[in-house]
Amino acid sequence: AQSVTQPDIHITVSEGASLELRCNYSYGATPYLFWYVQSPGQGLQLLLKYFSGDTLVQGIKGFEAEFKRSQSSFNLRKPSVHWSDAAEYFCAVAPSGGYNKLIFGAGTRLAVHP
Amino acid sequence: GAVVSQHPSRVICKSGTSVKIECRSLDFQATTMFWYRQFPKQSLMLMATSNEGSKATYEQGVEKDKFLINHASLTLSTLTVTSAHPEDSSFYICSAPRQGSDEQFFGPGTRLTVL
Repeated sequence: AQSVTQPDIHITVSEGASLELRCNYSYGATPYLFWYVQSPGQGLQLLLKYFSGDTLVQGIKGFEAEFKRSQSSFNLRKPSVHWSDAAEYFCAVAPSGGYNKLIFGAGTRLAVHP
Repeated sequence: GAVVSQHPSRVICKSGTSVKIECRSLDFQATTMFWYRQFPKQSLMLMATSNEGSKATYEQGVEKDKFLINHASLTLSTLTVTSAHPEDSSFYICSAPRQGSDEQFFGPGTRLTVL
């Protein structure tokens, strides 16, 4: 079945530490891949996206993600986390292209300790 | 970036009443909009695709007679929760893709509480 999996429900890191949020997808072809962040009381904000080309994509706020076809993964990374990065992070897939409906993972809630 | 608004941001209603939620693309036209539902501490689940000038397309398991969608113009889609019940309490989010960007822009969401 087609699905998007974020295996980590909660992650806690110390400020300044590195971060990696995992995302795996299960689709026949390489879909469009996205990472969104949702802060309390705010809408979803796009961090980065992958459609094709270079498998390491840079996003806003110092985030990056790497697409690995062999692992069907699109993990999000940040070398040094800031307290303001505490939020809910969603991996999403557009099986039919970026202009169409998105399938979201369950989300990973990130807590940052000072 | 493009802006999508939702109104109201929060609504509390009595069981049995209907509630209308608006989704507007403020600086671009959207022939398609999407409605998602998010339960507390859970992910977004696609409910339906709103199409300007034609009927909405509902995802499996979503009652079309309960969640009425009208795409009145190229900048406005409305979701009406009819005869709302407490189990309809949720966070409803819309999104609109902008042509040429391959990206969807999300509204801030509407928190519906049915008493």
